[in-house]
Amino acid sequence: QVQMAQSGTEVKKPGASVKVSCKAYGYTFTGYYIHWVRQAPGQGLEWMGWINPTSGGTNYAQKFQGRVTMTRDTSISTAYMELRSLRSDDTAVYYCAKARYYYESSPLDYWGRGTLVTVSA
Amino acid sequence: DIVMTQSPDSLAVSLGERATINCKSSQSVLYNSNNKNYLTWYQQKPGQPPKLLIYWASTRESGVPDRFSGSGSGTDFTLTISSLQAEDVAVYYCQQYYSNPTFGQGTRLEIK
Repeated sequence: QVQMAQSGTEVKKPGASVKVSCKAYGYTFTGYYIHWVRQAPGQGLEWMGWINPTSGGTNYAQKFQGRVTMTRDTSISTAYMELRSLRSDDTAVYYCAKARYYYESSPLDYWGRGTLVTVSA
Repeated sequence: DIVMTQSPDSLAVSLGERATINCKSSQSVLYNSNNKNYLTWYQQKPGQPPKLLIYWASTRESGVPDRFSGSGSGTDFTLTISSLQAEDVAVYYCQQYYSNPTFGQGTRLEIK
């Protein structure tokens, strides 16, 4: 069945970078966009961007432009999200999610369990 | 960006009673060429990722109980749980995917 397996908890210092991975199982990796969404402690959901696994094309939320990079390795069905210049308010659970359809505008039908990133001096 | 506003922020309903959550978008999410509303509802329980409940504003995801239903068009949408069960306690989010996705702030649903 479809699963999105994310990498483990990270603790980073302010100014550092973090790279979270998301390995897809149970479907054709290049068939569906992957989105990244984050959730600060006790807060709501915030969309960060998507990657087209076929072309590698990306679309980032304006808030994260210049600080985020989404990539993929099709040989191992894995997507990555790197966030740089970390601040304390980047402390959050970061989710990857599979789009239901192969186009930009799509609901997200399978989500990873999330990766907690803590930014603290 | 399209702003999504949910109401209420929290809601307490007795078991077996109806729960209604509203979601309003700052601009229409109805795509005229296919007459589809680009609106989803997610359920999130503590310590879990969001779960897709409803998409295209009213299409129930496979496996979602039929007590969950979505309605509305354009800018105003509603999620209804017809008969609240204990396992429905969660935070519910609406999300538009007409343009770059944005979420509502969430509605916390509890048992009265």
